[in-house]
Amino acid sequence: KAGVTQTPRYLIKTRGQQVTLSCSPISGHRSVSWYQQTPGQGLQFLFEYFSETQRNKGNFPGRFSGRQFSNSRSEMNVSTLELGDSALYLCASSPHGGAGPPGEQFFGPGTRLTVL
Amino acid sequence: AQSVSQHNHHVILSEAASLELGCNYSYGGTVNLFWYVQYPGQHLQLLLKYFSGDPLVKGIKGFEAEFIKSKFSFNLRKPSVQWSDTAEYFCALNRDDKIIFGKGTRLHILP
Repeated sequence: KAGVTQTPRYLIKTRGQQVTLSCSPISGHRSVSWYQQTPGQGLQFLFEYFSETQRNKGNFPGRFSGRQFSNSRSEMNVSTLELGDSALYLCASSPHGGAGPPGEQFFGPGTRLTVL
Repeated sequence: AQSVSQHNHHVILSEAASLELGCNYSYGGTVNLFWYVQYPGQHLQLLLKYFSGDPLVKGIKGFEAEFIKSKFSFNLRKPSVQWSDTAEYFCALNRDDKIIFGKGTRLHILP
């Protein structure tokens, strides 16, 4: 099976712009989670989608949003970019199929976003 | 409040040394615990997990971890490290239906 893929791998934007990141989960996985990874804060949970519904959300401002499509692919959008949004954004999919927390997650390579 | 604490941010060991990376969590409910590893230039991948049962869990590449409920700990161990174990290690738990990660420990093995 192909792993989790994320596009683009690298992105450079300027303050005030918006950006959309894409994630394709492993085939058959319906849960997709997004994380922000920075040297100072480590991995921070953004949100999780399951069957096109946002099931959980972390403590990020409303500028961070996401969605999931019927084929389980997910997108994450960040509007009005700030310098502090520079980070590696990781997507993870899980074979978990029902209620309750996701179990093991399979991570993609990430999208490295630089905001100038 | 930090839900997952990893005490060592940076650890340097020589090959064949024994390893123990600390992880403590603050959550009174039922927990599922994980250790993930990120090798240089590679994706995060699961090392091992604890859901229930035997508190001593074995993972890939000779790693193991022990869940001690009374100490709220889930320390990672390996009896003899190799240069290829150089990586960043993350402890994580399920809390309120979310996966919460620690800030990671960078392990550097000297050949």
